[in-house]
Amino acid sequence: EVLLVESGGGSVQPGGSLRLSCAASGFTFPTYGMSWVRQAPGKGLEWVSAISGTGDTTYYADSVKGRFTIARDNSKDTLYLQMNSLRAEDTAVYYCAKDLFGDITGYDYWGQGTLVTVSS
Amino acid sequence: QSALTQPPSASGSPGQSVTISCTGTSSDVGGYNYVSWYQQHPGKAPKLMIYEVTKRPSGVPDRFSGSKSGNTASLTVSGLQAEDEADYYCGSFAGSHNYVFGTGTKVTVL
Repeated sequence: EVLLVESGGGSVQPGGSLRLSCAASGFTFPTYGMSWVRQAPGKGLEWVSAISGTGDTTYYADSVKGRFTIARDNSKDTLYLQMNSLRAEDTAVYYCAKDLFGDITGYDYWGQGTLVTVSS
Repeated sequence: QSALTQPPSASGSPGQSVTISCTGTSSDVGGYNYVSWYQQHPGKAPKLMIYEVTKRPSGVPDRFSGSKSGNTASLTVSGLQAEDEADYYCGSFAGSHNYVFGTGTKVTVL
């Protein structure tokens, strides 16, 4: 059974930093690209960032480019999202999601999400 | 990258069909066959219902079907059931290593 479990969310002041983790199990982690998708309270889904299976290639939405860094540790089957210079508009539930096939082709498994609140 | 356009709401009685549209551009929906549909119940994570425009993952009822014409993709739910009441989002590969979601449609079973 595929499982994705996010952690690391919480409350942070504007300008602060947070690192999210996503522990994966039930599939061959290095074989698949992974992504982060967020959902602001009462709003729709927003793609944030993606990383290839090897970790060599990363992609970012314009809204987070230069502030967020996606990474993975294939020895630990874990995905990360380092979030710096956080803004109020980054407040959202952050989901990690497993790519269907290649990079960014769609997502067949999602974690339960972790809430990030940016507020003073 | 702008969000794909979906109607805010759709509804139908049990047993009826409802179709949701998802309009993009030739740079996303129209340019690739990597269109997916996701179902999201309140407080839950999204669930994949359709991928590659028309394909259903194992376990998804065949009441759910997808199609695409030009820059618009569609999801049809036939034989509506109470448990189909949820938010539905389309998503598409958008080139240049980007992915874009739709604005979301709330489906109500009357």
